[in-house]
Amino acid sequence: ETGVTQSPTHLIKTRGQQVTLRCSSQSGHNTVSWYQQALGQGPQFIFQYYREEENGRGNFPPRFSGLQFPNYSSELNVNALELDDSALYLCASSTDMLLNEQFFGPGTRLTVL
Amino acid sequence: AQTVTQSQPEMSVQEAETVTLSCTYDTSESDYYLFWYKQPPSRQMILVIRQEAYKQQNATENRFSVNFQKAAKSFSLKISDSQLGDAAMYFCAYRAYSGGGADGLTFGKGTHLIIQP
Repeated sequence: ETGVTQSPTHLIKTRGQQVTLRCSSQSGHNTVSWYQQALGQGPQFIFQYYREEENGRGNFPPRFSGLQFPNYSSELNVNALELDDSALYLCASSTDMLLNEQFFGPGTRLTVL
Repeated sequence: AQTVTQSQPEMSVQEAETVTLSCTYDTSESDYYLFWYKQPPSRQMILVIRQEAYKQQNATENRFSVNFQKAAKSFSLKISDSQLGDAAMYFCAYRAYSGGGADGLTFGKGTHLIIQP
């Protein structure tokens, strides 16, 4: 157990819809990162939030956006869903921006039909 | 851009034996971190071991150790006395020291480790 939780566990959406995934970090973890893990692949970095501001982004379009809240929870929003967005979405939190040890949640499995 | 390559999609080892998982990476940075993560069927990614590039000594955590060859850009994981609970996907990951970690982790495609009883 890493103390990081994600909801929902599974989600099915239709192409073109919007989705919000949630992550709850441990108290004191002011950095959260989101990753997309397609089937049979390693996770890919989407973006990172530090103290409620985005401070790093991977190669993902603007329809992927996020929020981080003062209570150590965060959201990943994806607009205009595409079939290729089907994946496991992982959030990871850490106590500092250097990410020396990230604690991962169990992920949300998103299926886009 | 940095890349991480794991050339073994699947490895199998007898319980109590030793297995080595390979990882190579490409980077132009001189300071960085390397990680091995374990992802069991529960999907929760767990940190196994971490190596700072500026440290010449190989990291060790109980039965897990690494062979870090900076010049060759190689970072292999050795698991001694393999146990059934070690069965999982193993991912090698890289992070540059510069940028304050804002580039996130770069992962390889993973190696599926099977433990034969």
